Amino acid sequence: DQQVKQNSPSLSVQEGRISILNCDYTNSMFDYFLWYKKYPAEGPTFLISISSIKDKNEDGRFTVFLNKSAKHLSLHIVPSQPGDSAVYFCAAFNNAGNMLTFGGGTRLMVKP
Amino acid sequence: ETGVTQSPTHLIKTRGQQVTLRCSSQSGHNTVSWYQQALGQGPQFIFQYYREEENGRGNFPPRFSGLQFPNYSSELNVNALELDDSALYLCASSFGGLSGNTIYFGEGSWLTVV
Repeated sequence: DQQVKQNSPSLSVQEGRISILNCDYTNSMFDYFLWYKKYPAEGPTFLISISSIKDKNEDGRFTVFLNKSAKHLSLHIVPSQPGDSAVYFCAAFNNAGNMLTFGGGTRLMVKP
Repeated sequence: ETGVTQSPTHLIKTRGQQVTLRCSSQSGHNTVSWYQQALGQGPQFIFQYYREEENGRGNFPPRFSGLQFPNYSSELNVNALELDDSALYLCASSFGGLSGNTIYFGEGSWLTVV
């Protein structure tokens, strides 16, 4: 049973436009959410996070939105750059536990 | 550069063999977690070590075992390798409780079982 799902395996966006990556979760005990970016042959790199007490967190070009009632979060990248091309993972942390549960990832391609 | 180093980077083993993967955590980090990432999937939690004790385990059989040493480096051991164990094994280090910006991943060890 996948508790964190990223339903779009890939996304293609033109440089300068907005990229929106989506993530859904089922476990209502998740209270901290993170996005990781992964290039081939490298480990995941932390990008941005959000606590369940917030509905938005912004860091430069990256904004994460959380809709708790819908159990949905999204990552917005504005403006998108070719260097953003990578696989993006959504992950959730249950504060009662000690593990991250990852989604399956979305491959973002930003075209020049 | 996360300060988390893993070795070896690539290895090939035969079904039934045993493998040991190693991880050096970032300086000052006392918690190490191991994840398995199969091709096309997200990382799956194997287990976590905190101050040399196992501190949680995912849905992996007992033939997956680990150690954490006094310097907080860690090993992942897999016995009786199966073809489905072929994956990228990721080590993550952190200090104490998890919070997003203190979890650092290494570049992983690619294991191929033939």
